[in-house]
Amino acid sequence: LAKTTQPISMDSYEGQEVNITCSHNNIATNDYITWYQQFPSQGPRFIIQGYKTKVTNEVASLFIPADRKSSTLSLPRVSLSDTAVYYCLVAEGDDMRFGAGTRLTVKP
Amino acid sequence: EAQVTQNPRYLITVTGKKLTVTCSQNMNHEYMSWYRQDPGLGLRQIYYSMNVEVTDKGDVPEGYKVSRKEKRNFPLILESPSPNQTSLYFCASRPGTSSYEQYFGPGTRLTVT
Repeated sequence: LAKTTQPISMDSYEGQEVNITCSHNNIATNDYITWYQQFPSQGPRFIIQGYKTKVTNEVASLFIPADRKSSTLSLPRVSLSDTAVYYCLVAEGDDMRFGAGTRLTVKP
Repeated sequence: EAQVTQNPRYLITVTGKKLTVTCSQNMNHEYMSWYRQDPGLGLRQIYYSMNVEVTDKGDVPEGYKVSRKEKRNFPLILESPSPNQTSLYFCASRPGTSSYEQYFGPGTRLTVT
């Protein structure tokens, strides 16, 4: 299963766009890329899933280059309530393993 | 309301006293998983189940057992808990192979003294 690497932490300000990049150099052909958000003492919450190119939903966009060795989660116009840990996962079949995550702090 | 429920939410127990944490989902999902979360170690998968009577080990299965006799339930059993199993536990479910959108329960905070 491909190992993922993300920045440990990031800071931003309200209203800004935030981009969190995840590296997954050993991603396999059938793997999907998934992102989750977690608030303290709560279970993670699914944000978005993609395989290639760009995926957009009501809360985020996911950009995946052609080689799929990395992916970027884009959060438009963040607010204080977006302060959380964001996890990138590479999912293969039945296996879903969380990495260390990126702690995003949004400041006023 | 679609949800994953866990019970109990909080539990303090002593070393060696068998316990079960229940997990139930009402979405008819095929896949269910158990994770533990510890400071500095993130979320680690304990066991997962692809369907009734089909389970497999995750990253940290030692000291745990699971069963999947019904599609909706996936209990986590600690036969002889030890202090190193003090942790925050999450149960999750997802529809099947086409989706990696997992739904997580509220968590169970377990303390073993």
